[in-house]
Amino acid sequence: DAGVIQSPRHEVTEMGQEVTLRCKPISGHNSLFWYRQTMMRGLELLIYFNNNVPIDDSGMPEDRFSAKMPNASFSTLKIQPSEPRDSAVYFCASSLLGGSNTEAFFGQGTRLTVV
Amino acid sequence: AQSVTQPDIHITVSEGASLELRCNYSYGATPYLFWYVQSPGQGLQLLLKYFSGDTLVQGIKGFEAEFKRSQSSFNLRKPSVHWSDAAEYFCAVASSGSARQLTFGSGTQLTVLP
Repeated sequence: DAGVIQSPRHEVTEMGQEVTLRCKPISGHNSLFWYRQTMMRGLELLIYFNNNVPIDDSGMPEDRFSAKMPNASFSTLKIQPSEPRDSAVYFCASSLLGGSNTEAFFGQGTRLTVV
Repeated sequence: AQSVTQPDIHITVSEGASLELRCNYSYGATPYLFWYVQSPGQGLQLLLKYFSGDTLVQGIKGFEAEFKRSQSSFNLRKPSVHWSDAAEYFCAVASSGSARQLTFGSGTQLTVLP
């Protein structure tokens, strides 16, 4: 398996523009997580899905952020409109809940810069 | 709510020296514990994990960690550090319930001197 695949790896956008980050989880995994990493706040869980259903979105900073998982092999994180303080590295991770191994596998991240 | 504390923001060791990175957690029941490593510009790679059983767990790259319930700790160790171990290390805890989402510590940056 190729692991968790995120695109794009880097994104530079202007303030006010819409940004869409994409994630393809590992095939067969039933849980997907979106994290944001910044120097100030470290790694924060934004939202996670189980069987394509959002379970906990309490980490989503505000209404400008939205996430979807239309099927088991694809998820998006959208920011509209984007602001400079959204600049961060966004990680997607997937895991297989229900088994004894609960480790999360991470993608390489999307580095977002909002200017 | 679960939480993780990594008290050392930055540690510097010489190549060949031993290493111990500290991690303390807060969780009401038996936690699932993890150590991840992040190299610059990369994602997080799992080093090792503890779910149950033997409290001393072995991981990849020669790392090990010991779960001490009485101290709420899960410290990471390596007997002899290599220059390639320079990276940021994250301790994480997951609930033993159905949620299983990870809560990360703030990370420890490791510098290895030649």
